[in-house]
Amino acid sequence: ETGVTQTPRHLVMGMTNKKSLKCEQHLGHNAMYWYKQSAKKPLELMFVYNFKEQTENNSVPSRFSPECPNSSHLFLHLHTLQPEDSALYLCASSQDSQRQGNNEKLFFGSGTQLSVL
Amino acid sequence: QKEVEQDPGPLSVPEGAIVSLNCTYSNSAFQYFMWYRQYSRKGPELLMYTYSSGNKEDGRFTAQVDKSSKYISLFIRDSQPSDSATYLCAMSGNYGQNFVFGPGTRLSVLP
Repeated sequence: ETGVTQTPRHLVMGMTNKKSLKCEQHLGHNAMYWYKQSAKKPLELMFVYNFKEQTENNSVPSRFSPECPNSSHLFLHLHTLQPEDSALYLCASSQDSQRQGNNEKLFFGSGTQLSVL
Repeated sequence: QKEVEQDPGPLSVPEGAIVSLNCTYSNSAFQYFMWYRQYSRKGPELLMYTYSSGNKEDGRFTAQVDKSSKYISLFIRDSQPSDSATYLCAMSGNYGQNFVFGPGTRLSVLP
């Protein structure tokens, strides 16, 4: 079993649909992240949760709504998305996001490939 | 100027070649440097992690950091077709500073 598991692997949705992405980590980490990966662009940080508290919202549109019920689970609720939101959405975890730099390492899931029609 | 720059490639090399992948950056506060490997339809996987300037070797992989030039490199010796992937550089500074990623270089090692 991999350390960070994401479901679903693929998702196709219409612009009026509501869907959710799920992430679970089995590494005992306290920080979880959502990143967006578009073709030929750097990973874009969307949200950071540290010990279940949101510590970063990187100017993400409100049609993306994160939820972190505990340190092991992270959700991304999607509503009224646009075609330009089509991308690979990656979940990651680390020991403690406030210790970034001090031997902190990010571990990623396999991502959800999202297509918005 | 982008914070981290990386040639997107694609880079094609024959099997057995030495591969050199590079990133430049602008923020002198970065102290921790990482290389991730990402296979198609998979998430990035941490390959190398280094602190400050210097070299680090792990098997066929060597990571180099030159902070004075704001330049980092990943060398792959005796490259294999299984090394074909996108390689992302990433870096971070002190406590609380987020990781910053390059756009990735796509590498193909031809048998």
